Amino acid sequence: DAKTTQPNSMESNEEEPVHLPCNHSTISGTDYIHWYRQLPSQGPEYVIHGLTSNVNNRMASLAIAEDRKSSTLILHRATLRDAAVYYCILRHPAYSGAGSYQLTFGKGTKLSVIP
Amino acid sequence: DAGVIQSPRHEVTEMGQEVTLRCKPISGHNSLFWYRQTMMRGLELLIYFNNNVPIDDSGMPEDRFSAKMPNASFSTLKIQPSEPRDSAVYFCASTRGGLRTGSYEQYFGPGTRLTVT
Repeated sequence: DAKTTQPNSMESNEEEPVHLPCNHSTISGTDYIHWYRQLPSQGPEYVIHGLTSNVNNRMASLAIAEDRKSSTLILHRATLRDAAVYYCILRHPAYSGAGSYQLTFGKGTKLSVIP
Repeated sequence: DAGVIQSPRHEVTEMGQEVTLRCKPISGHNSLFWYRQTMMRGLELLIYFNNNVPIDDSGMPEDRFSAKMPNASFSTLKIQPSEPRDSAVYFCASTRGGLRTGSYEQYFGPGTRLTVT
């Protein structure tokens, strides 16, 4: 299975942009790049996903390298509520090929936001 | 929408007792996942169902663990007998799934914090 590599932790000042990197050098052509985050004492929360093109939504932007071996999650203005563990995940096809896809979580990047 | 509902939110039990964790997925979602999270091992997938059928249970630690999904709106994860090393937060998640259509994100419940003494 393709793996991802993320820094263990990062810090950001409040209201500054944050760029969270992820390396996935063994990504396959069919793997989607997903980002989830987990706030303290909560379940993981979907942030964004993409395949080849950069993606934007109300929460964040996802920049994907042309060779797809790395990606960057961009939070445009960090708030205290964005302090969480951010997981970069490659979505694998289900083993049986039926209906759904698994997510394999790594250790993620713990983002601290400084007021 | 109420989101994924899990109960109980906290469970404290003694070693050897049976524990049953419950999950109600989001209405209309056809895939359900059970995860376990510990400090040492992080977030691990235990089992997932598609259309109420178990698809992959390779993450279930051992025979003491079992999961069922009798209908589209309810699933249980049972541990019998429980051991202290089972102490963890157990999350349930659901998604619409589908190979080429539908929603791709998984929606997680708030989790059940299990402590086995």
